Amino acid sequence: GAGVSQSPSNKVTEKGKDVELRCDPISGHTALYWYRQSLGQGLEFLIYFQGNSAPDKSGLPSDRFSAERTGGSVSTLTIQRTQQEDSAVYLCASSLVGQPQHFGDGTRLSIL
Amino acid sequence: QQQVKQSPQSLIVQKGGISIINCAYENTAFDYFPWYQQFPGKGPALLIAIRPDVSEKKEGRFTISFNKSAKQFSLHIMDSQPGDSATYFCAANKGAQKLVFGQGTRLTINP
Repeated sequence: GAGVSQSPSNKVTEKGKDVELRCDPISGHTALYWYRQSLGQGLEFLIYFQGNSAPDKSGLPSDRFSAERTGGSVSTLTIQRTQQEDSAVYLCASSLVGQPQHFGDGTRLSIL
Repeated sequence: QQQVKQSPQSLIVQKGGISIINCAYENTAFDYFPWYQQFPGKGPALLIAIRPDVSEKKEGRFTISFNKSAKQFSLHIMDSQPGDSATYFCAANKGAQKLVFGQGTRLTINP
């Protein structure tokens, strides 16, 4: 498809486990963003990748969160030792530089 | 400095009426102000956006009004329809930087 693709769409895991969330951006989009959407917190920025530049990690809530972008395309967000407060919808967006951000449908993460 | 404040949190409008959602920002460096529409289980979808060099932008039934001196912008939905029932987010950023979102408005259009 032509849009941002995220997988899995839903993930249920036990507290303390590690999870990996995947984002396939729109082809040709050099900018990629991760956001988190949780009840009462709205949409929060996590991390931003632009080309080969160092990522902007200023929104990552703790060192349990990390992300990488391989080959300037696919990105993986990893959460280690998950906690219940990590339960949220994780959204990925991509764009051409300076152009509107287009979002995927997110991964709904539930920590038991 | 980075906040975008959105109101109301929820809004009920009769079919055919005008829906109005307001946002205020603090950072005068922001130069792009989009509105996103989100349906349950879906990601936010760009609805309409404005830059601060214009005071109004209209696309179909959707209009953004922008007041640079007051640091406020609003979304107007004319002739509101039941299919417009969704959550709406205003946002702001500068250049290619992260979007700063408002808290969202849950809009319900009664038939």
